[in-house]
Amino acid sequence: GAGVSQSPSNKVTEKGKDVELRCDPISGHTALYWYRQRLGQGLEFLIYFQGNSAPDKSGLPSDRFSAERTGESVSTLTIQRTQQEDSAVYLCASSSYLESSYFGAGTRLSVL
Amino acid sequence: GQQLNQSPQSMFIQEGEDVSMNCTSSSIFNTWLWYKQDPGEGPVLLIALYKAGELTSNGRLTAQFGITRKDSFLNISASIPSDVGIYFCAGQWNSGTYKYIFGTGTRLKVLA
Repeated sequence: GAGVSQSPSNKVTEKGKDVELRCDPISGHTALYWYRQRLGQGLEFLIYFQGNSAPDKSGLPSDRFSAERTGESVSTLTIQRTQQEDSAVYLCASSSYLESSYFGAGTRLSVL
Repeated sequence: GQQLNQSPQSMFIQEGEDVSMNCTSSSIFNTWLWYKQDPGEGPVLLIALYKAGELTSNGRLTAQFGITRKDSFLNISASIPSDVGIYFCAGQWNSGTYKYIFGTGTRLKVLA
């Protein structure tokens, strides 16, 4: 596609439920990133994919968070047993070597 | 690990004033990017810099890739109310991966 696409754009869930967030990167971009942004805050790095492997998962806040990427394309960020503290905007970005990194519009997650 | 310091964290300025913000890193970068994020949106790429010493403009915005390759500056001339938002820098270094790291953001508010 022309840009990074994320779905859903908004997600409201109940505490304790699992959620899946999807990211479709720009075609041909080998690198993919997930960030979390709490209201009024900066970008919090979660995980970085190079191809289908994740050389850096250091930002995942707990074992309730996981992510995968298949076909060097789509990535899914899964949050299990959601907590109210997980409420935030989850942003995905993609890039290729020596090329700029572009963001999607994000998924706004609200945990009630 | 690599760190990216962005300053100032926030600033209030009068319409028509010039704005300057910068990022410094503990590592040498190959690429510097500057983004702007409007409320409720994902970050949008403003300027990309690929060579030390490079000075690039985009309208009223000018950014420079520091000659030490450890810093970058973004200047906004004659600010207008729509310049309000959060500005992020990001850098990419040659570590065998293509990962970008982001600064913590500069929150800009323009007073009419």
